[in-house]
Amino acid sequence: GDQVEQSPSALSLHEGTGSALRCNFTTTMRAVQWFQQNSRGSLINLFYLASGTKENGRLKSTFNSKESYSTLHIRDAQLEDSGTYFCAANAGAKLTFGGGTRLTVRP
Amino acid sequence: GGIITQTPKFLIGQEGQKLTLKCQQNFNHDTMYWYRQDSGKGLRLIYYSITENDLQKGDLSEGYDASREKKSSFSLTVTSAQKNEMAVFLCASSISGVAETLYFGSGTRLTVL
Repeated sequence: GDQVEQSPSALSLHEGTGSALRCNFTTTMRAVQWFQQNSRGSLINLFYLASGTKENGRLKSTFNSKESYSTLHIRDAQLEDSGTYFCAANAGAKLTFGGGTRLTVRP
Repeated sequence: GGIITQTPKFLIGQEGQKLTLKCQQNFNHDTMYWYRQDSGKGLRLIYYSITENDLQKGDLSEGYDASREKKSSFSLTVTSAQKNEMAVFLCASSISGVAETLYFGSGTRLTVL
């Protein structure tokens, strides 16, 4: 079955607001990565975490391997944040992707 | 910084045709990957390679071949294109494996007529 469950599948935010995206894992993962896929289809790496929390500008991500989840927080959302966000995690040699969260930021 | 270049950006083929997608990276990364992304879905691993001339099957390798001719290039061949195969194919690389950050190319969109 699926090892990486991502939620929500779609999210709409007004500019300036924030929210959290979540990935739950059905097995123990060693590390998680978060990506943004823009309208051109390019995947941009946002974070790599083996544990703990990282922050970059308006984005913050946490990975809790013991409780098998990771979150991506977006604050003060901007129009250019729109796109699809994917988490991906590895238990062994392969990276498994979640189904993605399609984020739309509205004026 | 480096870049991953995928060619062609758009590929149109006939059902049953053999088609090849190419990927080049100048990061000097050891590991390269091919993923398939169906419309509105996540990515699924087709093949990966941890070094030159190495090939490892992913979850979706049936119907595909791959070749790591040299460290900087990794090609993917669709052995017999099928209509349900229309998707975007994404190449990625990392320094030494999935324990490192992945960097992606911009993709090849395959259409099968």
